[in-house]
Amino acid sequence: GAVVSQHPSRVICKSGTSVKIECRSLDFQATTMFWYRQFPKQSLMLMATSNEGSKATYEQGVEKDKFLINHASLTLSTLTVTSAHPEDSSFYICSASFGTAARNTFGSGTRLTVV
Amino acid sequence: AQRVTQPEKLLSVFKGAPVELKCNYSYSGSPELFWYVQYSRQRLQLLLRHISRESIKGFTADLNKGETSFHLKKPFAQEEDSAMYYCALSGGRGSTLGRLYFGRGTQLTVWP
Repeated sequence: GAVVSQHPSRVICKSGTSVKIECRSLDFQATTMFWYRQFPKQSLMLMATSNEGSKATYEQGVEKDKFLINHASLTLSTLTVTSAHPEDSSFYICSASFGTAARNTFGSGTRLTVV
Repeated sequence: AQRVTQPEKLLSVFKGAPVELKCNYSYSGSPELFWYVQYSRQRLQLLLRHISRESIKGFTADLNKGETSFHLKKPFAQEEDSAMYYCALSGGRGSTLGRLYFGRGTQLTVWP
């Protein structure tokens, strides 16, 4: 079946630094990748949608300059949290899709802690 | 605007009891509805979708367009069903394929 690998699973960084999270589709080509953010005991909130070779589409209220998304190939998308602050601490999850929503495969998530 | 509502954050039942996890939605078009499950320390995975009308692990869900609901049901809950369940909506045709909107989730606990 389709597998999505997300790294790192856990990262701690100092306030003001940048952190890059990778999302790879291992055995399929993902036409679209999605990035979600999940606060403790809350739902997954869609942050942005990225298509290979084009600019990401951000949801309302998501700062595109803070959360840089790159989707350079059909198997890799990256999310960079720039100048991280403690309020950026959260669980970030990617998903990769090829076609319908039923083919939406999720990564295992990245727990980001900014100290 | 689209919205998915799961009214119960927590739901507890005893093994063998029926269970129903509620999901209501609002969407102006014809959405696709899904249930995702997340077991402890595992990633989110698709449980079932309304289009396939199938039963997975004993769970079923019927889309009721009149009541805009997509409740998840199982007649006899098992301990291994304990997990976080998310109802999700996709815009269907004409919208970004794969884009999902999630409810806040319901933590189901099945007691022995």
